[in-house]
Amino acid sequence: DGGITQSPKYLFRKEGQNVTLSCEQNLNHDAMYWYRQDPGQGLRLIYYSQIVNDFQKGDIAEGYSVSREKKESFPLTVTSAQKNPTAFYLCASSIAGGLVEQFFGPGTRLTVL
Amino acid sequence: RKEVEQDPGPFNVPEGATVAFNCTYSNSASQSFFWYRQDCRKEPKLLMSVYSSGNEDGRFTAQLNRASQYISLLIRDSKLSDSATYLCAVTDMEYGNKLVFGAGTILRVKS
Repeated sequence: DGGITQSPKYLFRKEGQNVTLSCEQNLNHDAMYWYRQDPGQGLRLIYYSQIVNDFQKGDIAEGYSVSREKKESFPLTVTSAQKNPTAFYLCASSIAGGLVEQFFGPGTRLTVL
Repeated sequence: RKEVEQDPGPFNVPEGATVAFNCTYSNSASQSFFWYRQDCRKEPKLLMSVYSSGNEDGRFTAQLNRASQYISLLIRDSKLSDSATYLCAVTDMEYGNKLVFGAGTILRVKS
């Protein structure tokens, strides 16, 4: 089955630790995205990548880092510089170059203890 | 002014009712529009794209009004299973295929 997987589903982090969230897709999509969702708020774009080995900052990139070494993978690292990291993190993908819909993975819920 | 705004609701409706949501957007150059459905603690799932001519999928109808810069979603004959948060999303051409999301409208359908 084609789709987007994210792991882990739940993640607990101590303050001062870096953590990496996994996102993998087998849809052969060129573009991948990371969003953050806080209660009662819409999705906010953290980083996106239109092609392998290239990525751009979204609206709230501070305290986050990404890599795009493979087409199917777009991991997100939440660093200790992110002041309020507790949130629901969603990865999405789409075909590139058009005004097209994005498809989402099941999300990772990160809690900082 | 937010780029994409939605009435947060909640909209509480009885089964069988017709309910409509609007979503306003600020960028007149936006070109693609979508409605997503999000269940509690789950990921958003694409409900339907919104075309200039409007489109219908079963009980769901989406419309675009470019002059007034809003899109709408109409749900007829509401089912209990329609209870969810409905997110609208608009493309921002300045950043290619970046989607800008509204905060969502909560729908609760009750028996």
